[in-house]
Amino acid sequence: KAGVTQTPRYLIKTRGQQVTLSCSPISGHRSVSWYQQTPGQGLQFLFEYFSETQRNKGNFPGRFSGRQFSNSRSEMNVSTLELGDSALYLCASSLEGANEKLFFGSGTQLSVL
Amino acid sequence: SQQGEEDPQALSIQEGENATMNCSYKTSINNLQWYRQNSGRGLVHLILIRSNEREKHSGRLRVTLDTSKKSSSLLITASRAADTASYFCATAMKTSYDKVIFGPGTSLSVIP
Repeated sequence: KAGVTQTPRYLIKTRGQQVTLSCSPISGHRSVSWYQQTPGQGLQFLFEYFSETQRNKGNFPGRFSGRQFSNSRSEMNVSTLELGDSALYLCASSLEGANEKLFFGSGTQLSVL
Repeated sequence: SQQGEEDPQALSIQEGENATMNCSYKTSINNLQWYRQNSGRGLVHLILIRSNEREKHSGRLRVTLDTSKKSSSLLITASRAADTASYFCATAMKTSYDKVIFGPGTSLSVIP
């Protein structure tokens, strides 16, 4: 069974640009969560999607958005990038949500210059 | 604020020794999980323990949960250099079925 796939692996953008990150969950998993990881803040919860619906959202500005498609693949978008958005963005999938173990992708390392 | 907090922040031991990491949390939980992260990569799930369980084992790993003290510990026995990584506890709160919150992690170094 293929694992969680995140693309791209690395991304370099400049301030003010927007970026879209992609996550393909394990086949059969309907829950996809996104996290931002930085050295200073650790792993911060961004949002969780289940069957195309956002069920929960963390404390991030509206510049951070996401969606989930009918095949459970998910994308997150960050508009008007700021230097502080530089981070490792991790996607995790599970069958139903928080009551089960999460399977993580390798992440997308975003650098904003 | 973080739901879970690991202690210590960093731990350095010799190969063959045991490593113990602790996690404290603030609100009632459905389950508590431990994950490992090797430098700059995705997290790998180690153990999930539910709120009605007190102890779980997996190979060289032993996790305990004390819901009265809102704390958990992860014990790695007979450590190896390959165990060098960051370890995170993560909690799913009783009020939320869709959100897993991670603590800041413990950085473990196992010296050969």
